[in-house]
Amino acid sequence: QSALTQPPSASGSPGQSVTISCTGTSSDVGGYNYVSWYQQHPGKAPKLMIYEVSKRPSGVPDRFSGSKSGNTASLTVSGLQAEDEADYYCSSYAGSNNFDMVFGGGTKLTVL
Amino acid sequence: QVQLQESGPGLVKPSQTLSLTCTVSGGSISSGSYYWSWIRQPAGKGLEWIGRIYTSGSTNYNPSLKSRVTISVDTSKNQFSLKLSSVTAADTAVYYCAKTIVGATFFDYWGQGTLVTVSS
Repeated sequence: QSALTQPPSASGSPGQSVTISCTGTSSDVGGYNYVSWYQQHPGKAPKLMIYEVSKRPSGVPDRFSGSKSGNTASLTVSGLQAEDEADYYCSSYAGSNNFDMVFGGGTKLTVL
Repeated sequence: QVQLQESGPGLVKPSQTLSLTCTVSGGSISSGSYYWSWIRQPAGKGLEWIGRIYTSGSTNYNPSLKSRVTISVDTSKNQFSLKLSSVTAADTAVYYCAKTIVGATFFDYWGQGTLVTVSS
């Protein structure tokens, strides 16, 4: 069982917006602004899409955005495109005395 | 641009030790600017951070795996390695190596991953 809770699936039609949630605790998501999101296509390595809750690495489209409220972080994909269909994983720093990272179980995003 | 490549046996017997190596190219592992991590993903499941190492040899491990994990670095070969002891079928997974900038809490570069199956 993963430390962070994500819905197993999400879907939307091309052009629509979809939001994926990631729920943790005050010891991880709620305690730090260190939530990141990864996109993973089948058979491929994860790709960093969002870091530190809402920052986008160079090259990631601005259709991808992140936010956080309390113990729940969210990834929103606007203007859905076919290539956005993938698994999405959230991650959070969870260390207090020692460095530790936790992940969510992943959400399969389907573009209808 | 830094590239990472995992290598090692694809099949390990139960109770034995899993050993993997990550070779870093396009940059020096001893640059002092990065941490080097191992992450795994069982088939059809989520990701799990295993641990990380700094060029000095300083390590941090996932508390749930700490008793079985050793991560080491070989700066002369630009590689870092993972050893996981007393493996069971539950350790069957795709194992990734990944890079983190010092001070950051996200993984910006990943290897392609290597499947390790634990079976007799």
